[in-house]
Amino acid sequence: NAGVTQTPKFQVLKTGQSMTLQCAQDMNHEYMSWYRQDPGMGLRLIHYSVGAGITDQGEVPNGYNVSRSTTEDFPLRLLSAAPSQTSVYFCASIGTSGSEDFGPGTRLTVL
Amino acid sequence: AQSVTQLDSHVSVSEGTPVLLRCNYSSSYSPSLFWYVQHPNKGLQLLLKYTSAATLVKGINGFEAEFKKSETSFHLTKPSAHMSDAAEYFCVVSDGDFGNEKLTFGTGTRLTIIP
Repeated sequence: NAGVTQTPKFQVLKTGQSMTLQCAQDMNHEYMSWYRQDPGMGLRLIHYSVGAGITDQGEVPNGYNVSRSTTEDFPLRLLSAAPSQTSVYFCASIGTSGSEDFGPGTRLTVL
Repeated sequence: AQSVTQLDSHVSVSEGTPVLLRCNYSSSYSPSLFWYVQHPNKGLQLLLKYTSAATLVKGINGFEAEFKKSETSFHLTKPSAHMSDAAEYFCVVSDGDFGNEKLTFGTGTRLTIIP
């Protein structure tokens, strides 16, 4: 198993640009989630999904969209990037162990 | 609503001495509790988890944590620190049903090991 994969690893955007952060898992996990990590604030939940076709908002959803058309993929979209979205983004999934498996992260800078 | 408080943002210990990273939680249900470690420029790795079985949980790399319901605590300990333990540690709480969890992260404790 490749586990949870994320692309790209690094990205620089200009304010107002849009982009999609990709996340995929090959473990057939139903639950997937997106977090952002900022200094001194730990990880904060952006959006999550309990299965294909089902998504819900987390703690900090504004400025982000998600969709879950398949069990494997859970992309995160920034429609109009802002400097406040400069962060490290982690995708995760939960399997039968009950604990989350995290991807390697995407470091995003918005100028 | 659930929350977690990591009482120290930074802990420094000498190599070979004990490590104590403190965590208190608040949960409306019987919580699941986790400790994750993040080494510099790396992703998160699960150290250990508590899910209502034994209150003393052993994890990887010699770490363990004790769930104390009366104190709402889940402190992480290790008898003897190693240089490779230098990292950031996150205490995490979840009180949802399996498959529908929301995790709430603490703000992290940065552990520094003094040679």
